[in-house]
Order: sequence, then structure tokens, then C-alpha cells
Amino acid sequence: EPEVTQTPSHQVTQMGQEVILRCVPISNHLYFYWYRQILGQKVEFLVSFYNNEISEKSEIFDDQFSVERPDGSNFTLKIRSTKLEDSAMYFCASSEAGRLNQPQHFGDGTRLSIL
Amino acid sequence: AQSVTQLGSHVSVSEGALVLLRCNYSSSVPPYLFWYVQYPNQGLQLLLKYTTGATLVKGINGFEAEFKKSETSFHLTKPSAHMSDAAEYFCAVCNFGNEKLTFGTGTRLTIIP
Repeated sequence: EPEVTQTPSHQVTQMGQEVILRCVPISNHLYFYWYRQILGQKVEFLVSFYNNEISEKSEIFDDQFSVERPDGSNFTLKIRSTKLEDSAMYFCASSEAGRLNQPQHFGDGTRLSIL
Repeated sequence: AQSVTQLGSHVSVSEGALVLLRCNYSSSVPPYLFWYVQYPNQGLQLLLKYTTGATLVKGINGFEAEFKKSETSFHLTKPSAHMSDAAEYFCAVCNFGNEKLTFGTGTRLTIIP
């Protein structure tokens, strides 16, 4: 069964540095998402992306964050000037476009630790 | 605005016993409802979903859930727990035209041998 893959599985970064989290969505999917889960808290929506633009974003997704689909397969989340509170598990998800009852498929996540 | 409440952050059941994980939602429009499972150090795996039609939906691993509009609930059940069911379970909701999933806080299920 096709999977969403995320790299790296664990990223350790110094506070203030930039980090890029990478995702390869399922190949025929056209909607892409990022979520995060701070340790011990609920999974929170960050952003959705379709047709090379952001379709929705949460209040968490401020100017510090950006997303990009640099080629036909990758979907990235960039966090500029990281802060301690950015430490979390970040999940990428994808779903088929135009079919509202198609569920989102999640990757295994990237654990981001800010020191 | 939509929200999800999962009663009980931790639930323990004996192997072979009934599993019942509770989920209540709040939504201004008819919701789409989901249960996801997260095993240690893994991502979220879809267990089952309700969109339209039959209110009792069956998922993987013997789980099922029933959408009850009058109670705004979507509780997850399994008749007989197995040791491999130990994981964290998340209820989630999204609405037509809104692709964002809103998750509950999760319920950690422990199976007692």
C-alpha cells in the first residue's frame, strides 16, 4: 500500500536556526497537509496546500513557517528562526483531490527537538 | 467552529473484554468523523470514517463506531480486546468544504493480560 514518507525521523536543531522538514506524499494525491503534536498535547492542524498554494492555515502558521512543493514529489515545511516551543512531532498528510470523503493519509512524523 | 472531546485520556481493559472509547463532537454543519490509531513511534493510521449513509461503520482490526447525531457522538468499540490494540486513539472531525482535521486529545488504551 502506498505510504506518505517523511525525512528525517528526528531532527535536532539549535534555537534560532532554520529547519526544513521533508515529505513525499502518495503519488496520485493532490492535497497536502502539515500537522504538529507537541509532547502530551493534541494533534494540531498547521496548513493545507493544493494546486501550488496554501488553501488554509491555522493561527499557529505565522510568518515563521512556509511550505513549498519544489518538485513533483516533495512537500516541505520550513521553519525559520526556530524557538524552543517549536519542539514537537510534525506530521505530513496527503489525500486525493476533489473527493471529500477521501481520508488523509499520514506519515510517521519527524520529531523536531530545538536546543 | 468544530471541536472534539474524548472522555478519558487513559483507558485500561482486560484482554478479551469490550473496548469503548468515547468521542463527542461539536460542529455547526454535518461532520465527517474519523478515528485514527497511533502506535508508539509511528504516524496516524486511519481506523475508520463516517461521511454519509449508514451510521454504523466498520473499520480495520475489528473496530467499529456509530454516528449518533442526537448525541453528537462517535464512540469507538471493539467486542474483544487484543494485546496488539494497545495504542493511542484519536477521534477527528472535518466539515464539507474544509479540509482541516480537528483532533481530540487522544485516549491511550492499555490492555491488561
